[in-house]
Parts: sequence; C-alpha cells; structure tokens
Amino acid sequence: AQSVSQHNHHVILSEAASLELGCNYSYGGTVNLFWYVQYPGQHLQLLLKYFSGDPLVKGIKGFEAEFIKSKFSFNLRKPSVQWSDTAEYFCAVEGTYKYIFGTGTRLKVLA
Amino acid sequence: GAGVSQSPSNKVTEKGKDVELRCDPISGHTALYWYRQSLGQGLEFLIYFQGNSAPDKSGLPSDRFSAERTGGSVSTLTIQRTQQEDSAVYLCASSRTSGSKSYEQYFGPGTRLTVT
Repeated sequence: AQSVSQHNHHVILSEAASLELGCNYSYGGTVNLFWYVQYPGQHLQLLLKYFSGDPLVKGIKGFEAEFIKSKFSFNLRKPSVQWSDTAEYFCAVEGTYKYIFGTGTRLKVLA
Repeated sequence: GAGVSQSPSNKVTEKGKDVELRCDPISGHTALYWYRQSLGQGLEFLIYFQGNSAPDKSGLPSDRFSAERTGGSVSTLTIQRTQQEDSAVYLCASSRTSGSKSYEQYFGPGTRLTVT
C-alpha cells in the first residue's frame, strides 16, 4: 500500500539550530515529491518540490530537501532555523495524480 | 490571480443535519482535491476530480459523503446526517495538470466544521 511516514511528530529547536525532518514513502512507481508548510493561522503552501533531475532541491526560506531513491526518502533540511519557521510541515508524494500526505511534523523554534 | 477560495470558513451544525461545503479552484486548474484535516491526523484524502474524468472517490469515509464538480470548476462537498466524528477542517486544493503529470497543489483556507 502507498504510504508516507514522517518520523518526527513534534520537534523543538532553539534559533540557529540545524533542522532535519525525515520523510519516507512507499510507492511502486515514479513519484513527485513535495514538502508543504502551514504557518499558524495560514493556508498550506508549497515549500519545495522534486519532479526529476538534481535530487537536491532548494525551496523558499532557505529550506532544501534531498531525494534518495534507494532509501525512498525525501528529508527536509535547514542549516539554521529562525523563530518564524515555527509551523507544521507535511511531506507529500504524488503518483499518477493521487497525493498521499504524511501526518505532519510540528516544529517549534524557541527565540 | 485569485487563489482557491472556500465557503463557509466556519460551520457549526447539529448532529444529523446535512451540510454543504463549497470550493472555488484557481481558474484553469483541471484537478481538484478535497481533504479532511483532523488534529494529529494529517491530511486525509477524500476525493479527486480531474477534468471530465470520473472522480476518484476512494477516500470518502462513508456513503454520507458525496461531492460534485460542476462545469469543471466549482465543487461542493456534501455531508449528510452529520456525526460528531465529522468535525474537522475540510480543505480543498487545485492544481494544473499536463498529460500524466501533475503539479503542486494550491490550498484554500479550509472550512472548519463543528458538529454539536
């Protein structure tokens, strides 16, 4: 069955700490990969995406993610978080139109 | 241009009543999705519309849930005989597609449904 796993449900970091959020998926075909972010009181919005090509993709606000096909992973990273990165982060996989979202990771950054 | 809009933003209803939730996708987006977001549950896929194709209803949790998309644009999600467990935020998203390729989704603000 298709699935997306986000291993960290809640993460608390101090400002300037490095961030890595794990995402693993199970899907038997070609996929497109996404990270979405939901800031408090705001819509879900796209953070970054991978369709093909360079497996290291860069998104908005200094975020990046690396697609490792052999590990079925698409981990999100940021070298130095800011208080404004406090949000909920969702990994998503799209295969032939159907999207599957992970359960989300709530990140709290302490000023 | 305008983003995805949803109405109402909040809906409180009594158990057993029917509710209709509306979604206006971005103009030109052929794909439209409905999700349910419950606390700690992530996004639960409900239904997907793509152009004139038959919708993918595989995520609808029961036959009390139905959705339609008129004219390839506006969509309405209907929940009949609401139950307390239906309380959640219902999100709509749209995306453009090209052949077999789909692009990122744009989400609306959601409708917060509370069943009392």
